[in-house]
Amino acid sequence: SAVISQKPSRDICQRGTSLTIQCQVDSQVTMMFWYRQQPGQSLTLIATANQGSEATYESGFVIDKFPISRPNLTFSTLTVSNLSPEDSSIYLCSVEKPTGGGYSYNEQFFGPGTRLTVL
Amino acid sequence: QQPVQSPQAVILREGEDAVINCSSSKALYSVHWYRQKHGEAPVFLMILLKGGEQKGHEKISASFNEKKQQSSLYLTASQLSYSGTYFCGTELRDDKIIFGKGTRLHILP
Repeated sequence: SAVISQKPSRDICQRGTSLTIQCQVDSQVTMMFWYRQQPGQSLTLIATANQGSEATYESGFVIDKFPISRPNLTFSTLTVSNLSPEDSSIYLCSVEKPTGGGYSYNEQFFGPGTRLTVL
Repeated sequence: QQPVQSPQAVILREGEDAVINCSSSKALYSVHWYRQKHGEAPVFLMILLKGGEQKGHEKISASFNEKKQQSSLYLTASQLSYSGTYFCGTELRDDKIIFGKGTRLHILP
């Protein structure tokens, strides 16, 4: 399994500012994912972050708006830039880890999320 | 590319059974099922791989029809703790999981 922590757990920000969200994992992982979840909605993948390479962004998400850092195998940050009320959402980081026990695939674990409100 | 889940919502009495369906327009490598309770992170329930391999929860089962690109989650003898939103996630062999819109399950005592 994986234990994931995120900081901050919640924040209220003014329009036009930026918020950087930190994600820390208790073990080394190759791939980290950032998702956005608006209230009562599904999880939308923003980007995939691999250590040592640039993040890969999904359609509709761009690096200028959502810059990501991945300095090592246990940590990543997501910055939400130039905030607008439409950015109000929960942001979750996620990691994959081998499920072990002879199974040949990975399980995905989620952090507790960061609730962002933009005024 | 987002999988389609049905139904959107279910209300059951404790002890009743439920089936949640997930279908994709793309060929799938695997299907993942998660449950999310209000205000909490999604929690892994099941994974089903192309070829039949799977790992899951002891009281929840699932099926994966590769040809039809469909999966179903079976909740039997539901308990109050089963309440939450269930998401299926589909993987297209690039390690990215795309989630459906979710199915809200509410269990009444």
